[in-house]
Amino acid sequence: DSGVTQTPKHLITATGQRVTLRCSPRSGDLSVYWYQQSLDQGLQFLIQYYNGEERAKGNILERFSAQQFPDLHSELNLSSLELGDSALYFCASSVGWGGADTQYFGPGTRLTVL
Amino acid sequence: TQLLEQSPQFLSIQEGENLTVYCNSSSVFSSLQWYRQEPGEGPVLLVTVVTGGEVKKLKRLTFQFGDARKDSSLHITAAQPGDTGLYLCAGEGNAGNMLTFGGGTRLMVKP
Repeated sequence: DSGVTQTPKHLITATGQRVTLRCSPRSGDLSVYWYQQSLDQGLQFLIQYYNGEERAKGNILERFSAQQFPDLHSELNLSSLELGDSALYFCASSVGWGGADTQYFGPGTRLTVL
Repeated sequence: TQLLEQSPQFLSIQEGENLTVYCNSSSVFSSLQWYRQEPGEGPVLLVTVVTGGEVKKLKRLTFQFGDARKDSSLHITAAQPGDTGLYLCAGEGNAGNMLTFGGGTRLMVKP
């Protein structure tokens, strides 16, 4: 158990819909990262927040957005869903924002878009 | 864009055999990490290598970072069924803590 929690574990929805994925970081961690893992693209970095502020952006689509709240939990919002958005979405957390900090991954949310 | 290529993609071996997984890039990384991921779970960090030429050992696992910090390898000695899983390398670039992951090596060790 990494200490990072993600809800829901599974999510099935239809194309065009909007969903919200939630992540609670390990106690004391200020950084939250979101990753997407699909069969054809592998594990890809989406976005990082540190203490409520966006820190780094990766291959995140404009239909996707995220935020980190004052209690440090984070939400990833996916809208106008397409079949290709079906994937595992992981959240990770670390103490700081720099390269020396280990990222601890949550168990993931499996999103299926029908 | 920094890319990491892992090889092989799939590996099926018998218990007791040795194996090596490679992670290659044309880009320089400030550090390189190896993760293991089991079905239904998130990746778990095994090791971080930082210095070019660095070698780290973790029981039967040996990790090496290339001199130019562009490539890395993971060698497993006397593989066991418990080593079965998806092995991922990830390079840290020069911008914060953003990780670029390789495509992964799916290892199966048969008893």
